[in-house]
Amino acid sequence: SQQGEEDPQALSIQEGENATMNCSYKTSINNLQWYRQNSGRGLVHLILIRSNEREKHSGRLRVTLDTSKKSSSLLITASRAADTASYFCATEANDYKLSFGAGTTVTVRA
Amino acid sequence: SAVISQKPSRDICQRGTSLTIQCQVDSQVTMMFWYRQQPGQSLTLIATANQGSEATYESGFVIDKFPISRPNLTFSTLTVSNMSPEDSSIYLCSVGSPGGEKLFFGSGTQLSVL
Repeated sequence: SQQGEEDPQALSIQEGENATMNCSYKTSINNLQWYRQNSGRGLVHLILIRSNEREKHSGRLRVTLDTSKKSSSLLITASRAADTASYFCATEANDYKLSFGAGTTVTVRA
Repeated sequence: SAVISQKPSRDICQRGTSLTIQCQVDSQVTMMFWYRQQPGQSLTLIATANQGSEATYESGFVIDKFPISRPNLTFSTLTVSNMSPEDSSIYLCSVGSPGGEKLFFGSGTQLSVL
């Protein structure tokens, strides 16, 4: 079942600007992950943050996790046209299955 | 990372027919997962396919509608049976990373049912 709720649903920014999207979830998790999907194709794993971590970086990506608020944010800095995609958060609870959020569609304008 | 080949990449089918989607992985994996993504929606897990045993289906999905085969550790198929326009979706196969935490996805099959 879908656990994550993402906000905003859609985001349009100028190239070079930062993009921030948020994910909220309902139950306790082992980890939270972010995936990117280009043009309705397969998803690509971006970053994973464990429940005992608060912040993680990977290149231009920064992820935060607040387990007390059951929320996470993904920040993409210095956006590029190639960052245009849909971004999904996914949570893993005590079973091995991932539950995906509704996604945020990001458009980066040149 | 795992490389997953999924085919067909897209198909347009008539209602009442069936389509089989194939998923080939470049390494042996224990579990393979099949997801459905309806237009503009998120991913919903259909079933988990283990080699040598019956697939485990999620609530709302049944074997008669979505039969799955898993003949070996690198291959799986998902059949969408007796299709209706409501089955129009992207179908994705995925496998877990060696540590089991993250998923690798095939490129998806975009299915349109007329």
